[in-house]
Amino acid sequence: DQQVKQNSPSLSVQEGRISILNCDYTNSMFDYFLWYKKYPAEGPTFLISISSIKDKNEDGRFTVFLNKSAKHLSLHIVPSQPGDSAVYFCAATTNTGNQFYFGTGTSLTVIP
Amino acid sequence: KAGVTQTPRYLIKTRGQQVTLSCSPISGHRSVSWYQQTPGQGLQFLFEYFSETQRNKGNFPGRFSGRQFSNSRSEMNVSTLELGDSALYLCASSLLGGHSYNEQFFGPGTRLTVL
Repeated sequence: DQQVKQNSPSLSVQEGRISILNCDYTNSMFDYFLWYKKYPAEGPTFLISISSIKDKNEDGRFTVFLNKSAKHLSLHIVPSQPGDSAVYFCAATTNTGNQFYFGTGTSLTVIP
Repeated sequence: KAGVTQTPRYLIKTRGQQVTLSCSPISGHRSVSWYQQTPGQGLQFLFEYFSETQRNKGNFPGRFSGRQFSNSRSEMNVSTLELGDSALYLCASSLLGGHSYNEQFFGPGTRLTVL
């Protein structure tokens, strides 16, 4: 039962343009969401997070938006750079559990 | 500060064998979680250990087991390997564990191939 879903396995964007990665979840108990970035042969690294009390969190070129009513979050990267090419995972957790639920990942390619 | 280390990085086994993977968390971190990553399935949670106790377990068969030592190092064991166990196994450490929203730091993973 995939509680966190990333329906786009891959995405290609031109350097300098905006990259938008999407994530949907089914469990209304999730109250904390994270995005991780993964390069080949490396483990995922934390990128940005958002609590359910917010609808937006920004960190430099990265912004995460949360729409609780739609159970949807998105990661915006502006401007996109070739070094952003990686697999991006979204993850969610609850304030009572010790488990993070991950999506299946979206492979982003930024074309120079 | 050294990151999360996992050994071995690559492993080839045959069906029916068993395997033990090792994870050394960041110094001071007490929580270690294990994940299985396969194409199309993302990261599937296996289990989490905190202070030598398994606190949470995912939906994997009993062939998958783990333990944590007093120095927080953790091992994961898979018995009676099946072809479908071929995957990247990732270990993540955090200070206190997921429910505290502590950031998880991942190791590079162990790539297990079952022939």
